[in-house]
Amino acid sequence: EAGVVQSPRYKIIEKKQPVAFWCNPISGHNTLYWYRQNLGQGPELLIRYENEEAVDDSQLPKDRFSAERLKGVDSTLKIQPAELGDSAVYLCASSPWTSGGYNEQFFGPGTRLTVL
Amino acid sequence: QQQVKQSPQSLIVQKGGISIINCAYENTAFDYFPWYQQFPGKGPALLIAIRPDVSEKKEGRFTISFNKSAKQFSLHIMDSQPGDSATYFCAASSRGGGADGLTFGKGTHLIIQP
Repeated sequence: EAGVVQSPRYKIIEKKQPVAFWCNPISGHNTLYWYRQNLGQGPELLIRYENEEAVDDSQLPKDRFSAERLKGVDSTLKIQPAELGDSAVYLCASSPWTSGGYNEQFFGPGTRLTVL
Repeated sequence: QQQVKQSPQSLIVQKGGISIINCAYENTAFDYFPWYQQFPGKGPALLIAIRPDVSEKKEGRFTISFNKSAKQFSLHIMDSQPGDSATYFCAASSRGGGADGLTFGKGTHLIIQP
């Protein structure tokens, strides 16, 4: 079974430029998460999707970050414009969530963003 | 507000020894407590998880001990091996665990010396 796929793996941009990250979850997983992991820290949730609906985006900095999951499968996270403090690893995870279940979140390898 | 506090930040253990990592949480609504292992350049991978209705869960060399009244849980790695050298994160979530986003600790960098 293929895991969570993310691209690109690495991205270097100058501040104020836009950047986008792509995630393809494990087939059949209806819940998708975006996390940000700063150097030496644990991942922090940015947004959670149930199918195509964003059910928790309370931690997403909406002034510059946006996300979409139009057909309930793959997802894109965008930053525009990027700031120096956005340098981090952006992780995508998916889960085969079912009602009342305790389901593992499977993480992709992440995209390492460096803003210069 | 850091809802999951993890210690120690780094840990060095001799091969064959026991590695112990501790976490404490504040949110009493948390009802799912997983531990993740992360190698450099990789995403976190689930190691073992526990629900608060049990006090201990063991899978191979890995054991979670859970103390609901103290709001603490810990990971024990028995017979630690060099291949266990990685960063370990405790995490927690509420309302059924798998669906909600996870709140992670800051991580423990574990080194197993041969």
